[in-house]
Amino acid sequence: DAKTTQPNSMESNEEEPVHLPCNHSTISGTDYIHWYRQLPSQGPEYVIHGLTSNVNNRMASLAIAEDRKSSTLILHRATLRDAAVYYCILRPTNNAGNMLTFGGGTRLMVKP
Amino acid sequence: KAGVTQTPRYLIKTRGQQVTLSCSPISGHRSVSWYQQTPGQGLQFLFEYFSETQRNKGNFPGRFSGRQFSNSRSEMNVSTLELGDSALYLCASKQTVGDSQETQYFGPGTRLLVL
Repeated sequence: DAKTTQPNSMESNEEEPVHLPCNHSTISGTDYIHWYRQLPSQGPEYVIHGLTSNVNNRMASLAIAEDRKSSTLILHRATLRDAAVYYCILRPTNNAGNMLTFGGGTRLMVKP
Repeated sequence: KAGVTQTPRYLIKTRGQQVTLSCSPISGHRSVSWYQQTPGQGLQFLFEYFSETQRNKGNFPGRFSGRQFSNSRSEMNVSTLELGDSALYLCASKQTVGDSQETQYFGPGTRLLVL
């Protein structure tokens, strides 16, 4: 599977927007970009995913670069509850199984 | 709808013992996978089951095994425990095995400490 690179940690102030970057320069044309997050003492939870176009849902927005070699997860107004480790994961279309390849993720700290 | 449940939540064992962890997927979900999470290695895929059949296996020694029952519940077993097996073991479920973009739902995990 193609590899992703994320900053180890980021800090944000509460109620401010947060942009979490992910580089995936070896992404293939059929790889989807997924984001999961893991809150303290919990299992990971799905946030959002996309292929080429930007995506929005109730939790976040996903902005995908035109060349697809990078993407950005956007939390529009960070809350204390958003403090978590955020994982950017590539999912090949032809991988019909469950296996998610997690990298190190970005630890987001939110200051009140 | 209840989420993925894992039992027990915490477990302490000694080296050389064996352990069995249990996972109940979300009702209607037939696909279950297991992950190990350690501070050093992060989240690593163990194995995946669908319809009582193992479909995929990660790079772990044969001491790690699993199975799935006809009601989709799954168990994983670790024999001859080593100190390095101390970890958070996570179970994830999804409805099918054919849709690679389908959301996976994770349980809270079982934290295993090997002394």
